[in-house]
Amino acid sequence: AQKITQTQPGMFVQEKEAVTLDCTYDTSDPSYGLFWYKQPSSGEMIFLIYQGSYDQQNATEGRYSLNFQKARKSANLVISASQLGDSAMYFCAMRGASGYSTLTFGKGTMLLVSP
Amino acid sequence: ETGVTQTPRHLVMGMTNKKSLKCEQHLGHNAMYWYKQSAKKPLELMFVYSLEERVENNSVPSRFSPECPNSSHLFLHLHTLQPEDSALYLCASSQDLLAAYEQYFGPGTRLTVT
Repeated sequence: AQKITQTQPGMFVQEKEAVTLDCTYDTSDPSYGLFWYKQPSSGEMIFLIYQGSYDQQNATEGRYSLNFQKARKSANLVISASQLGDSAMYFCAMRGASGYSTLTFGKGTMLLVSP
Repeated sequence: ETGVTQTPRHLVMGMTNKKSLKCEQHLGHNAMYWYKQSAKKPLELMFVYSLEERVENNSVPSRFSPECPNSSHLFLHLHTLQPEDSALYLCASSQDLLAAYEQYFGPGTRLTVT
């Protein structure tokens, strides 16, 4: 069974600062993928970044980077230069090697960016 | 319309009502999903469809009945729901089941059962 743990129910950051959102995972699959999604108050889940378990380098997408530490089973999201529009719920998710691209989600972290 | 759309965006229904949620994807994807998002709980996968065939049903009560008439449309038929079924219901699609890439989500239907 797969499990995603996000231990930070809420995080506060000032505009233009960097913030790290924590995610740890548990799986017995040798091959897996890790995802981060953003959910603003409108409800839509927006894909941010993907890291494959065999990727040699940490994934980056613009201001988003994923700090992947395989031995520690952690996949933290780093948002650099926070913007007011970054205020939202952030979900870490995992896809295992079952052959289906079904995702297991964490409980999420609410990020609030202040001016 | 682009991406994944869901209608209605908000729905209030009594426990004896019958209603349907609709999802449409305009991405040419072959796999579609229903998720339930309750307060303070992780997203729960409900159903998975690939090329209009149901491939996964995660122990969902029979009062939720999915239908996938074609690869672009997915419905969730609701009947005799309970108050604990109140949640945000999200539809998603992906290129196919084996893709290791992102699922694209719709905006969700906020369901309240009274």
